[in-house]
Amino acid sequence: DTGVSQDPRHKITKRGQNVTFRCDPISEHNRLYWYRQTLGQGPEFLTYFQNEAQLEKSRLLSDRFSAERPKGSFSTLEIQRTEQGDSAMYLCASTAGQGHWGYTFGSGTRLTVV
Amino acid sequence: GEDVEQSLFLSVREGDSSVINCTYTDSSSTYLYWYKQEPGAGLQLLTYIFSNMDMKQDQRLTVLLNKKDKHLSLRIADTQTGDSAIYFCADSRPAGFQKLVFGTGTRLLVSP
Repeated sequence: DTGVSQDPRHKITKRGQNVTFRCDPISEHNRLYWYRQTLGQGPEFLTYFQNEAQLEKSRLLSDRFSAERPKGSFSTLEIQRTEQGDSAMYLCASTAGQGHWGYTFGSGTRLTVV
Repeated sequence: GEDVEQSLFLSVREGDSSVINCTYTDSSSTYLYWYKQEPGAGLQLLTYIFSNMDMKQDQRLTVLLNKKDKHLSLRIADTQTGDSAIYFCADSRPAGFQKLVFGTGTRLLVSP
């Protein structure tokens, strides 16, 4: 297993366009998280999946954002009608469950909205 | 509140010890973590400490936890230039799932 994979690594889009990011977690991990990191800040929680169920969403996740994990494996995060304020690094992480393991993060997708 | 605070910058010479400090506010935190982020990369878990411990040592890393003061520190012994990165502390909230709340990060610069 090569860890958590995210695609694409970089995305530049024009304001108003839709974008979709993909995350492939570690195969045996049933918990998947999306975080957003803006410049000079720590990551902020967006949403959490246990298997295919989306169990928690942050207030940061506006109606323009939607996330799915259809088969409990990979996940997608879509942003509709992008705004310049959406420019950030979007990080995916996975974990096998509760406890001290912490998250395994992917390398992130850097979104730039121009 | 959800605040986790860190100093923004630390500069040390190669071979010295580095101490990165963090304060948190949520007394229900279960585990506390230190992550390292290199430029353009995701976050790498360095070490963690359970909230009922006050110290943990892992090779060059020593974590100290003062639960009364809600203060966490990471000491890196014999700091190397490869340790230059941003270091984040994070606490986990028992919200039915493991939600991490991160600090703003401390940029460590190690000079030869």
